Amino acid sequence: GAVVSQHPSRVICKSGTSVKIECRSLDFQATTMFWYRQFPKKSLMLMATSNEGSKATYEQGVEKDKFLINHASLTLSTLTVTSAHPEDSSFYICSALDRVLPNTEAFFGQGTRLTVV
Amino acid sequence: SQELEQSPQSLIVQEGKNLTINCTSSKTLYGLYWYKQKYGEGLIFLMMLQKGGEEKSHEKITAKLDEKKQQSSLHITASQPSHAGIYLCGADKGGGNKLTFGTGTQLKVEL
Repeated sequence: GAVVSQHPSRVICKSGTSVKIECRSLDFQATTMFWYRQFPKKSLMLMATSNEGSKATYEQGVEKDKFLINHASLTLSTLTVTSAHPEDSSFYICSALDRVLPNTEAFFGQGTRLTVV
Repeated sequence: SQELEQSPQSLIVQEGKNLTINCTSSKTLYGLYWYKQKYGEGLIFLMMLQKGGEEKSHEKITAKLDEKKQQSSLHITASQPSHAGIYLCGADKGGGNKLTFGTGTQLKVEL
């Protein structure tokens, strides 16, 4: 099946610094990727839709200046958490849609656990 | 407000027993997806249902979508320890695969 790779899988950063998380589709091209956030023992919350070559679409309540999304190629979307604070600590997970098969399921990455100290 | 309700929130069953997890939406769904997650890991795709009344099976897992496309159930037959994890239903409301997830059901299978 299609593979989506997230990097890093775990990251610890200091308050005030920025952290970049990568989401790559390894064996398919993705014009659309989604970024989710998951709190402990909670479900996934959609943060934004990442569109290749255009601006991301953010869900209500998600700060676009806080969570910068760049989708510069058909295989890579990045989420940058700017000026991170402890409350940004969470599990971030991306999913990608196959450009050739858009009506099939989205493929999820393995997630990134961010801890801000 | 929560748009997708899952029940039960958690479930402990003995190995070999059958179980059912439900997912209910207040709105008609374009598509309904079932995923499994080990806590802190990625999601494993299980099943996608799009047509009212549709039923799909894979190994010992069967998922159904009701005729109105507002409720789905996931049934596991003869549960095994490998079935343990968090089961999430995801709803595609607009056809673009942008999913809203249910609250999740944590399943534990005891020997």
